[in-house]
Amino acid sequence: GNSVTQMEGPVTLSEEAFLTINCTYTATGYPSLFWYVQYPGEGLQLLLKATKADDKGSNKGFEATYRKETTSFHLEKGSVQVSDSAVYFCALSVNTDKLIFGTGTRLQVFP
Amino acid sequence: GAGVSQSPRYKVAKRGRDVALRCDSISGHVTLYWYRQTLGQGSEVLTYSQSDAQRDKSGRPSGRFSAERPERSVSTLKIQRTEQGDSAVYLCASSLYWGAKSSYEQYFGPGTRLTVT
Repeated sequence: GNSVTQMEGPVTLSEEAFLTINCTYTATGYPSLFWYVQYPGEGLQLLLKATKADDKGSNKGFEATYRKETTSFHLEKGSVQVSDSAVYFCALSVNTDKLIFGTGTRLQVFP
Repeated sequence: GAGVSQSPRYKVAKRGRDVALRCDSISGHVTLYWYRQTLGQGSEVLTYSQSDAQRDKSGRPSGRFSAERPERSVSTLKIQRTEQGDSAVYLCASSLYWGAKSSYEQYFGPGTRLTVT
């Protein structure tokens, strides 16, 4: 079946550190891939997406590249800020509008 | 403008009771989704509802789970005969479009945390 696996958290970083949150997927067919972010007390917000292999999604300094050969969609940011503290969810959908999410990774950034 | 809202934010129910969770979506959005987010297990879609000018179309209800749409921008998720395994965060999402276009953005509410005792 279709599924998403992402690294467990929490990930704890100092401000301006480099961030990587790993995400790998299993899918039948050709999925679209997404990263969602959830700030405290708020709903999930789309952060970035990629709809085909080798596409790079980017937003707010975050990037993720759709790697078909490694079935991965790792989230990266060169310099995190305290305001980036949130829970990050990797997700996919295959020929449908229904999303399948990973378990989420909590990021904590300290000044 | 107003985003997607859900109520209540927290709900405690005794096992075997029925519960109803409400979602108010963004005005004009066509498709409403309900997801269940379980600690350590990710999220899965429970049901969805698509509405156009002619008809409503709902995803197949999963056993004890069903969704009603009394108004275009309101959905109610009903869980019958709750079980302890139903304890989770229930997320509502809406989309401006409908159909199998996976790139359409979904807008999420903050969720309702249900605890079944």
